[in-house]
Amino acid sequence: NAGVTQTPKFRVLKTGQSMTLLCAQDMNHEYMYWYRQDPGMGLRLIHYSVGEGTTAKGEVPDGYNVSRLKKQNFLLGLESAAPSQTSVYFCASKERVNTEAFFGQGTRLTVV
Amino acid sequence: QQQVKQSPQSLIVQKGGISIINCAYENTAFDYFPWYQQFPGKGPALLIAIRPDVSEKKEGRFTISFNKSAKQFSLHIMDSQPGDSATYFCAASKGGGFKTIFGAGTRLFVKA
Repeated sequence: NAGVTQTPKFRVLKTGQSMTLLCAQDMNHEYMYWYRQDPGMGLRLIHYSVGEGTTAKGEVPDGYNVSRLKKQNFLLGLESAAPSQTSVYFCASKERVNTEAFFGQGTRLTVV
Repeated sequence: QQQVKQSPQSLIVQKGGISIINCAYENTAFDYFPWYQQFPGKGPALLIAIRPDVSEKKEGRFTISFNKSAKQFSLHIMDSQPGDSATYFCAASKGGGFKTIFGAGTRLFVKA
């Protein structure tokens, strides 16, 4: 049982380039989330989805877009990467609200 | 009102000692308080969680103490071991709400 899988695990981008991070979960969870983790800042919510075809903004959505075309996948896009987007990105999923969140292994992104 | 404040930022404990991490919240609508443990290079994973109808929950060496009137909760790690060295996040969420609010994290180092 893979749980939550993120690809890629590492990426270096040049300023202005675009990329998509993929999150896939095999637990049939309704709720999916994208967080970024920066030193001393904890986990900050970028965007989330409460079901297939839905997305909503979190705490720090600027510069990112998301899509949830299939229930098992949640994509995070950076259209024009900036050095401020250098971070570790985590995807998470939940079966129901107010329950355990299952996290992926993270994607370490560096924007130079 | 949505914040969860966590302290200390870092903690060094001798092997066999007690590690204590504290969190405080403002929103009285929160009704689920999980703690997540994160090892380097990995995603956070649920360690233990409590709901406000109880004041304490114990699982092995890990205990959550919950003070509803003070709007505070804490994690106690008894007989701390080097293998407990990790980053710990407290969090809070509310029924009907889709988001989990995370504290800034505490880096624990247990000296052998």
